Amino acid sequence: DIQLTQSPTFLSASVGDRATITCRASQGISNFLAWYQQKPGKAPKLLIYAASTLQSGVPSRFSGSGSGTEFTLTISSLQPEDFATYYCQQLNSYPRFTFGPGTKVDIK
Amino acid sequence: QVQLVQSGAEVKKPGASVKVSCKATGYTFTNYGITWVRQAPGQGLEWMGWISVYNGNTNYVEKLQGRVTMTTDTSTTTAYMELRSLRSDDAAVYYCARVGLHYDTSANGFDIWGQGTTVTVSS
Repeated sequence: DIQLTQSPTFLSASVGDRATITCRASQGISNFLAWYQQKPGKAPKLLIYAASTLQSGVPSRFSGSGSGTEFTLTISSLQPEDFATYYCQQLNSYPRFTFGPGTKVDIK
Repeated sequence: QVQLVQSGAEVKKPGASVKVSCKATGYTFTNYGITWVRQAPGQGLEWMGWISVYNGNTNYVEKLQGRVTMTTDTSTTTAYMELRSLRSDDAAVYYCARVGLHYDTSANGFDIWGQGTTVTVSS
């Protein structure tokens, strides 16, 4: 099974900061990677799919990049509503899907 | 609008079974798959399995094989997830989500999620 790791586990940042989260896959997954945002008590929300395609309605301060085994989620200027936990997910081993362990972004 | 609405919270004793429903509206049910994800308190997301609404094919995570069954009822556009022989570590919020039906369309991710169903396991 494909394993995903995320770094950092925790990210403390201020409003307006640039935030970068990395996701690494244990084997190549092409661009079959998605990113989700989850706030406490809420269902996850799809932000990015196919590594770099922004889901409809998601602000353009979110961007994704990467291919193969290394991927990045960047928030160009953190807003108060962006403080949440972010998960990457691989979809290459369809129909078996794996999530990364998550990165919590909180306010410094 | 496109949405998935799940059944309400459940409290079960160890060894019992639970069946969670997920009602789909606003799209052609058979054009997508449904996947189930759970989240134990304070923990991350755990993918549980997938069902093709089109043909009923399923794929479950190995650790739940033999205890989980996913089904759909196309007449009511509802998906179901049944988990048997409940243990304390099955206590979690269970989510259903929509996913593309094929390898290429699954790359679009889990784009619609249910609101979650809390399952408590306690004697």
